[in-house]
Amino acid sequence: EVQLLESGGGLVQPGGSLRLSCAASGFTFSSYAMAWVRQAPGKTLQWVSGIFGGGTITYYADSVKGRFTISRDDSRNTVYLQMSSLRVEDTALYYCAKTRGMHATHPDSWGLGTLVTVSS
Amino acid sequence: QAVVTQEPSLTVSPGGTVTLTCGSSTGAVTSGHYPYWFQQKPGQAPRTLIYDATNKNSWTPARFSGSLLGGKAALTLSGAQPEDEAEYYCVLSSSGVVVFGGGTKLTVL
Repeated sequence: EVQLLESGGGLVQPGGSLRLSCAASGFTFSSYAMAWVRQAPGKTLQWVSGIFGGGTITYYADSVKGRFTISRDDSRNTVYLQMSSLRVEDTALYYCAKTRGMHATHPDSWGLGTLVTVSS
Repeated sequence: QAVVTQEPSLTVSPGGTVTLTCGSSTGAVTSGHYPYWFQQKPGQAPRTLIYDATNKNSWTPARFSGSLLGGKAALTLSGAQPEDEAEYYCVLSSSGVVVFGGGTKLTVL
């Protein structure tokens, strides 16, 4: 069974940084692209970032490009999202998701999310 | 970047059939957009029902089906159950950009 456990969320001031982690189990982690998707309170889902299997290719939504960095450690079955220069509008529940393939983009299995609140 | 459009809300009677659609501002939705459909209930994480327009996950109830219809992706629910009341989201991929729709709130009443 696929399990994804996010951590690292919390309250941070505007301009601050956070690193989210997602520990994966139940599948061959290195063979799958991973993604981060967020959902602001009462809003729709927003795809944030993705990383292909092998970690050589990463991609970002325009709204986070240059501020967020996705990475993965296949030895730890973990994907990370380093967030810097955080803005109030980055406040959201951040979901980690497994895709369906090494070079896939869409989320298929989801974690329960970790809440990021950006506020002074 | 494309805007992905969904009906804001729909209502279906128990046992009835309803079709939700997912369109793109850039033109017809095709299999090349890899349409996915997700169900989200209040306070829960999303759950993927349909991938690549028509394929079901192992946990997808048989009453849900996906298709491409009239230039849009479509999710059809046949024989609605009270537990199907939820928010439904679609997502499309276009030129490497992944865009979610605004969601459809489905009421079973």
